Amino acid sequence: KAGVTQTPRYLIKTRGQQVTLSCSPISGHRSVSWYQQTPGQGLQFLFEYFSETQRNKGNFPGRFSGRQFSNSRSEMNVSTLELGDSALYLCASTRTYGNEQFFGPGTRLTVL
Amino acid sequence: AQRVTQPEKLLSVFKGAPVELKCNYSYSGSPELFWYVQYSRQRLQLLLRHISRESIKGFTADLNKGETSFHLKKPFAQEEDSAMYYCALYNQGGKLIFGQGTELSVKP
Repeated sequence: KAGVTQTPRYLIKTRGQQVTLSCSPISGHRSVSWYQQTPGQGLQFLFEYFSETQRNKGNFPGRFSGRQFSNSRSEMNVSTLELGDSALYLCASTRTYGNEQFFGPGTRLTVL
Repeated sequence: AQRVTQPEKLLSVFKGAPVELKCNYSYSGSPELFWYVQYSRQRLQLLLRHISRESIKGFTADLNKGETSFHLKKPFAQEEDSAMYYCALYNQGGKLIFGQGTELSVKP
């Protein structure tokens, strides 16, 4: 099976812009979780989607949002970018049963 | 509050030496714990989960509820074990709580 894929792999934006990141889960996986990874804060949970519904959300401002489509692909959007949003954004997919998460390679976002 | 603590940022050992990467957790309930590994320029990948009690690449980890620990051990380190190791606690709703990670460096 193909692993979790994320596009684009690298992104450079300027403050105030918005960005959309995409994640395709492993075939058959219906849950997608998103994480932000920074050197200072480590890996932090953003939100999780299952069957097109957001089931859980981390402590991030409303500028961070996401959605999931009927084929389980997910997108996350960050509006009004700030310098502090520079990070590696990871998505992970999970089988319907079990809690092991399988991670994508990440999207490296740089905000200038 | 649910929390995962990995007290060592860096652990450096010689090839063939035993390795123990420490992980302590705080969780009000029955915990589900994982170890993830990230090799240089590779994605984060699952190494172990406590419920399976398996050994992967020679690593084992035992859940100690009394000490709220889930330390990762390997009797003889190899150079290819050099990587970042993350301990993670599953919370409800698809959320993993990660420790800050321990960088393992195995010297020849």
